[in-house]
Amino acid sequence: GDSVTQMEGPVTLSEEAFLTINCTYTATGYPSLFWYVQYPGEGLQLLLKATKADDKGSNKGFEATYRKETTSFHLEKGSVQVSDSAVYFCALRRAGSNYQLIWGAGTKLIIKP
Amino acid sequence: EAQVTQNPRYLITVTGKKLTVTCSQNMNHEYMSWYRQDPGLGLRQIYYSMNVEVTDKGDVPEGYKVSRKEKRNFPLILESPSPNQTSLYFCASSQQGGYGYTFGSGTRLTVV
Repeated sequence: GDSVTQMEGPVTLSEEAFLTINCTYTATGYPSLFWYVQYPGEGLQLLLKATKADDKGSNKGFEATYRKETTSFHLEKGSVQVSDSAVYFCALRRAGSNYQLIWGAGTKLIIKP
Repeated sequence: EAQVTQNPRYLITVTGKKLTVTCSQNMNHEYMSWYRQDPGLGLRQIYYSMNVEVTDKGDVPEGYKVSRKEKRNFPLILESPSPNQTSLYFCASSQQGGYGYTFGSGTRLTVV
């Protein structure tokens, strides 16, 4: 069945470091792909999304490119800040589905000053 | 402001005492869903609803009930809570087309 695999955390980086959080998926057809972020004590918020192959989603300095050939949607940021410390979730929506999302396990990111 | 409102934010209860966690959205979304979040297990879907009077089980429905009598409300009911239902619960809603979910702020439930 469809699934999403994220790199295990926590990921610990120093401020201004380059960030990559890996996300790969298994799905038939062309799913839509999402990154959500959960700041401490809060609910999840949509960070960015991509709906077709080679699309790049971007928001708040974060980027992710939908790579069909490698079934990946890795999250990147050029220079992280302490305020980026959060849990990041990768998710997919099956092709042809209006609502249901399949979630990765989440990756905790810790940024040290 | 467009939002999903859950109440309460924190709840401590005893085993077997029925409780309801409320969820309300003001965006006229058709789809609503309940998740629980546990360390190391990520998000697991409990129940979801595609529209009024239409509900279906998610991955972990045992011990929970839901209802969708109005479009804006989707309460989660624990008829007889047990300690293994201690968790962080999130309600989410979405409009048709999967434009992403809007989440509530969460309810931290402890069953002793």
